Amino acid sequence: KNQVEQSPQSLIILEGKNCTLQCNYTVSPFSNLRWYKQDTGRGPVSLTIMTFSENTKSNGRYTATLDADTKQSSLHITASQLSDSASYICVVSARNDYKLSFGAGTTVTVRA
Amino acid sequence: DTGVSQNPRHKITKRGQNVTFRCDPISEHNRLYWYRQTLGQGPEFLTYFQNEAQLEKSRLLSDRFSAERPKGSFSTLEIQRTEQGDSAMYLCASSSRLASTDTQYFGPGTRLTVL
Repeated sequence: KNQVEQSPQSLIILEGKNCTLQCNYTVSPFSNLRWYKQDTGRGPVSLTIMTFSENTKSNGRYTATLDADTKQSSLHITASQLSDSASYICVVSARNDYKLSFGAGTTVTVRA
Repeated sequence: DTGVSQNPRHKITKRGQNVTFRCDPISEHNRLYWYRQTLGQGPEFLTYFQNEAQLEKSRLLSDRFSAERPKGSFSTLEIQRTEQGDSAMYLCASSSRLASTDTQYFGPGTRLTVL
């Protein structure tokens, strides 16, 4: 069973609207959680990284939250743009382990 | 561009042929990773190098797969006797152990199609 589960699998939103993506994980002991954006046919690009003590991290119109107690994270996209159309992958690191645990990603499609 | 680069970006080959991919990491990064990603899934770990030493290989990496990083800089991933199931995106990433969070920076990937 994957240690990182994301929902929804995909979503379609209208340009200018907001959306929230969810990530639940079981990775332990927890070190940090990253959200990556992956455009079609490209490699993933890091958006945010949060450690155990951080609850919120913003990067422009992207805001990530982390609840380390419930092992949940969310990524909120504000005022979506067409260029936000991509797959968003939740990635969790365990302490003292270089290997990353990847979610399957949420595919976001922004329509005009 | 000082990011991770991969070549070729796309490769189409016939079943049974050998293919080799190249990854050039960010120059000061001593850690290098190979991943495989299929459609609709997150990347799956294949192997990891610290400098020139290959420290771990996933069970996903069958005997037909071999990776090298001869001088601790660029790396190659070779697949021998390709099979249709090898069709995927092969991603390379690099990181620096000096960075506290050790963020992995990904290359654009090599898309392999085995006919």
